[in-house]
Amino acid sequence: QKEVEQNSGPLSVPEGAIASLNCTYSDRGSQSFFWYRQYSGKSPELIMFIYSNGDKEDGRFTAQLNKASQYVSLLIRDSQPSDSATYLCAVPHSSASKIIFGSGTRLSIRP
Amino acid sequence: SAVISQKPSRDICQRGTSLTIQCQVDSQVTMMFWYRQQPGQSLTLIATANQGSEATYESGFVIDKFPISRPNLTFSTLTVSNMSPEDSSIYLCSVQVAGMNTEAFFGQGTRLTVV
Repeated sequence: QKEVEQNSGPLSVPEGAIASLNCTYSDRGSQSFFWYRQYSGKSPELIMFIYSNGDKEDGRFTAQLNKASQYVSLLIRDSQPSDSATYLCAVPHSSASKIIFGSGTRLSIRP
Repeated sequence: SAVISQKPSRDICQRGTSLTIQCQVDSQVTMMFWYRQQPGQSLTLIATANQGSEATYESGFVIDKFPISRPNLTFSTLTVSNMSPEDSSIYLCSVQVAGMNTEAFFGQGTRLTVV
């Protein structure tokens, strides 16, 4: 089992709809969870982080965390063409000083 | 956050040669990392650059191939040695400003092509 797993996509969503991105992780001791967005040819940029079970909202983005199920998701409301990118789930290792990245989900917002 | 300057931004190198990539941060940071991202793939951690001691390498990466220096808390270098076309990739410097369990910030990346 990979430490951080994501569906690779591509995920195609119509403009204005909700995009739902999912991630599971294996390290039960993980304390924090991050979502990065990476445009083609660019470096990853942090868009959301979450530490506690439940939902965290920031503008059009909502991160959801369920530690019991070892599951974290990212919802993007009112999807825009500019949201088309690869989204990376990232989880710091609980006993080593490093961050584990998922393989990323490629999201495409179609007009 | 942190401002990370990485250079060169891109290079084309002959096989068998070496390239050193530099990473400069605008503030002192404890944690610095080097990642590789091959085309269409996710990030693979090469090593953690430790200030004042040898880097900690991930499985599949060795010091002879990827020597790393970290002379202080704001600067690190990664050398890709004896390059082959399989080393063609994007190499990214990353830092965690606030310690473990906090977010990472990335440099602009170095796009390396080995011919």
